[in-house]
Amino acid sequence: KAGVTQTPRYLIKTRGQQVTLSCSPISGHRSVSWYQQTPGQGLQFLFEYFSETQRNKGNFPGRFSGRQFSNSRSEMNVSTLELGDSALYLCASSLGSGGPYNEQFFGPGTRLTVL
Amino acid sequence: SQKIEQNSEALNIQEGKTATLTCNYTNYSPAYLQWYRQDPGRGPVFLLLIRENEKEKRKERLKVTFDTTLKQSLFHITASQPADSATYLCALDGNYGGSQGNLIFGKGTKLSVKP
Repeated sequence: KAGVTQTPRYLIKTRGQQVTLSCSPISGHRSVSWYQQTPGQGLQFLFEYFSETQRNKGNFPGRFSGRQFSNSRSEMNVSTLELGDSALYLCASSLGSGGPYNEQFFGPGTRLTVL
Repeated sequence: SQKIEQNSEALNIQEGKTATLTCNYTNYSPAYLQWYRQDPGRGPVFLLLIRENEKEKRKERLKVTFDTTLKQSLFHITASQPADSATYLCALDGNYGGSQGNLIFGKGTKLSVKP
């Protein structure tokens, strides 16, 4: 079974631009979560989508948004990029149902650098 | 809000010894707690999950304990090997018993096993 894939793997943008990152979950998984990882803050939860609906949201500004498509693929968008948005963005998928104890499968991440 | 502390940023041990990593949380007892391994440049990989009503869980050379009185989980690797060198992350659910797509992570402990 193919793992979680994320594209692109690396991205360089300048301040003020916007960016869209993509995530394809494991086949059959309906939940997709997004995390931001930085050396200072560690892994921080951005949001979770399940069946095309945002089910949970972390404490990030409205510049960070996401969506999920009917095939469970997900995208996240960051508008008006700031230097502090430079980070590794990780996507994780899980079954999303059948109880709260399913493990999450992470993708390799997208390394975003904002200049 | 819930906070997680992994007491050591780094832990160096000799091959063959037991590595013990600590995870403490500050607020409500989570419905479950998970441990992940992360290698440089890669996404975290799920290792073990322990539920609030379980005291101990084992998987091969790994053992996790969960003490809700102390608000602490211990993660042990017995007979450690250089291949165990990685960063280990503790995570718990962001909303008690709720969907599993919202995890709060500790900042991790970087384990180095010397031959």
